[in-house]
Amino acid sequence: AQSVTQLGSHVSVSEGALVLLRCNYSSSVPPYLFWYVQYPNQGLQLLLKYTSAATLVKGINGFEAEFKKSETSFHLTKPSAHMSDAAEYFCAIAGGGTSYGKLTFGQGTILTVHP
Amino acid sequence: NAGVTQTPKFQVLKTGQSMTLQCAQDMNHEYMSWYRQDPGMGLRLIHYSVGAGITDQGEVPNGYNVSRSTTEDFPLRLLSAAPSQTSVYFCASRRTSGFTDTQYFGPGTRLTVL
Repeated sequence: AQSVTQLGSHVSVSEGALVLLRCNYSSSVPPYLFWYVQYPNQGLQLLLKYTSAATLVKGINGFEAEFKKSETSFHLTKPSAHMSDAAEYFCAIAGGGTSYGKLTFGQGTILTVHP
Repeated sequence: NAGVTQTPKFQVLKTGQSMTLQCAQDMNHEYMSWYRQDPGMGLRLIHYSVGAGITDQGEVPNGYNVSRSTTEDFPLRLLSAAPSQTSVYFCASRRTSGFTDTQYFGPGTRLTVL
């Protein structure tokens, strides 16, 4: 079975500071990995995805993530936080022959940005 | 395109009542799914469909039914509501079952069962 673990349910940064949201995965097959963002009272929006091409993936709003197989990690980063980045972020995993497109989500990390 | 739409936005039920959460997409997507979101647990898959007439169970299917008679619609039925079903429900769709396709989420339905 596949799973992802997000380290830290809450992360707080100052505006302009580095954002680092951690995600570690477990999978017996090569995984597909995703980061989604959820703004208050809205649905989820895809930030970026890793589909076995480049290990460094760039997404929307200046976010990027690096797939590290040796560390089984897919951490999300942004060099400089903006107030509008405040949201909940979810890491998700998929893969495997008969999983029929099912995504398994992590517990979520709430990002707070202070002025 | 309206994308993925869900109705209602909010609903309050009494224990034992039944209801249907509606989901529609206008993108001609094959793959549709329902998730529930609970604090600290992320999103958990309830049911999914890989095309009209084809549905299957996800991680937490008990107490829920689905059907897919058309490509556009994927309603979720609560047969006899229980307080444990208080949650936010999200419908999602994707062009195919392939993981490289982007999954689009609806705005959610917030359900309270008293």
